[in-house]
Amino acid sequence: EAGVTQFPSHSVIEKGQTVTLRCDPISGHDNLYWYRRVMGKEIKFLLHFVKESKQDESGMPNNRFLAERTGGTYSTLKVQPAELEDSGVYFCASSQDRWESGSQYNEQFFGPGTRLTVL
Amino acid sequence: RKEVEQDPGPFNVPEGATVAFNCTYSNSASQSFFWYRQDCRKEPKLLMSVYSSGNEDGRFTAQLNRASQYISLLIRDSKLSDSATYLCVVSREKAAGNKLTFGGGTRVLVKP
Repeated sequence: EAGVTQFPSHSVIEKGQTVTLRCDPISGHDNLYWYRRVMGKEIKFLLHFVKESKQDESGMPNNRFLAERTGGTYSTLKVQPAELEDSGVYFCASSQDRWESGSQYNEQFFGPGTRLTVL
Repeated sequence: RKEVEQDPGPFNVPEGATVAFNCTYSNSASQSFFWYRQDCRKEPKLLMSVYSSGNEDGRFTAQLNRASQYISLLIRDSKLSDSATYLCVVSREKAAGNKLTFGGGTRVLVKP
């Protein structure tokens, strides 16, 4: 079974340009998450989709970031216009709720990330 | 104060030895706890989930202490391949909507 895939693996752009990151979750996973790690900091949550709907976007830094998941399959994260502080590694994760002994559980599996450098 | 705190290390461990390290979390409402492993410039990979008081998987044992709000990870018979950064991760919910909160990671170096 294929894991979470992300494209591109690296992107170098200049301040003010636009970049679009793509994430393909594990097939059948309804939950899709975006996270970001900036230099020297811990990984931080950006937002969460359940199918095509945004469940939680409390971690989105500002309105320069736009995430979509049309059709509930792959997702894109657009940064427009990019700023220097947007540099970092953007991870996508997916999960599917499971039931065991009457309780619901959820483990997230991460993609390889997109390393974004804004010059 | 960070929501999840970890000793950044590095923990230098002789091959075959046992190493243990802790993680503390500040939100008493946290429900789910995970240890992820991250190799240099790679994605986090799920090592263990800890939903009750603890979990064991081969050489790895995780313990949860809700009263003191910490989780520990113990690695027995360390292998060179165990060298990595171990991320402590918590979530407020067990299921849907469980955005993860990460610690900064503990670096472990296993040496021959």
